[in-house]
Amino acid sequence: DSGVTQTPKHLITATGQRVTLRCSPRSGDLSVYWYQQSLDQGLQFLIQYYNGEERAKGNILERFSAQQFPDLHSELNLSSLELGDSALYFCASSVDRGITEAFFGQGTRLTVV
Amino acid sequence: EDQVTQSPEALRLQEGESSSLNCSYTVSGLRGLFWYRQDPGKGPEFLFTLYSAGEEKEKERLKATLTKKESFLHITAPKPEDSATYLCAVQASGGYQKVTFGTGTKLQVIP
Repeated sequence: DSGVTQTPKHLITATGQRVTLRCSPRSGDLSVYWYQQSLDQGLQFLIQYYNGEERAKGNILERFSAQQFPDLHSELNLSSLELGDSALYFCASSVDRGITEAFFGQGTRLTVV
Repeated sequence: EDQVTQSPEALRLQEGESSSLNCSYTVSGLRGLFWYRQDPGKGPEFLFTLYSAGEEKEKERLKATLTKKESFLHITAPKPEDSATYLCAVQASGGYQKVTFGTGTKLQVIP
């Protein structure tokens, strides 16, 4: 158990809908990262937050947004969903924003039908 | 752009048959190189961080090494429970500390 909690574990929704994925980082970790993993793309970095502020952006679509709240949990919002958004979405957390080992949650499997 | 290439894509070993996984990288200033293990349907599990060429780290049957262009994950006398996908990732130095992952090597250890 990494200490990172993601909910829900599975999500099935229709195209055009909006969903919210939730992540609770390990106790004491200030950084939260979101990754997308699909079969043909591997792990793709989406976005990082540090202590409530956005620190780095990767290949995140404009239809996607995220935030980190004062209690350090984070949410990833996915809107206008397309079939191609079906993937595993992982959250990871680390102590700080420097050289860090990130600890991953178990992921949310999103299926868009 | 930072790049990580892992080889082979898949590797099948007999129990006890030692081998190595390769991770070649291109990054504009290496801050750190990470190795993770991922079981099917689960999140990656952190194994090692390497910071500079010549560095080595060990954990049970695994040993990671780093040069200026690549890293190796050596697996000595593997057991079936070592079967997993092994991911390599690099973190670039500088203000934008993006982590780039390779697509992994899927290891199967046969009893």
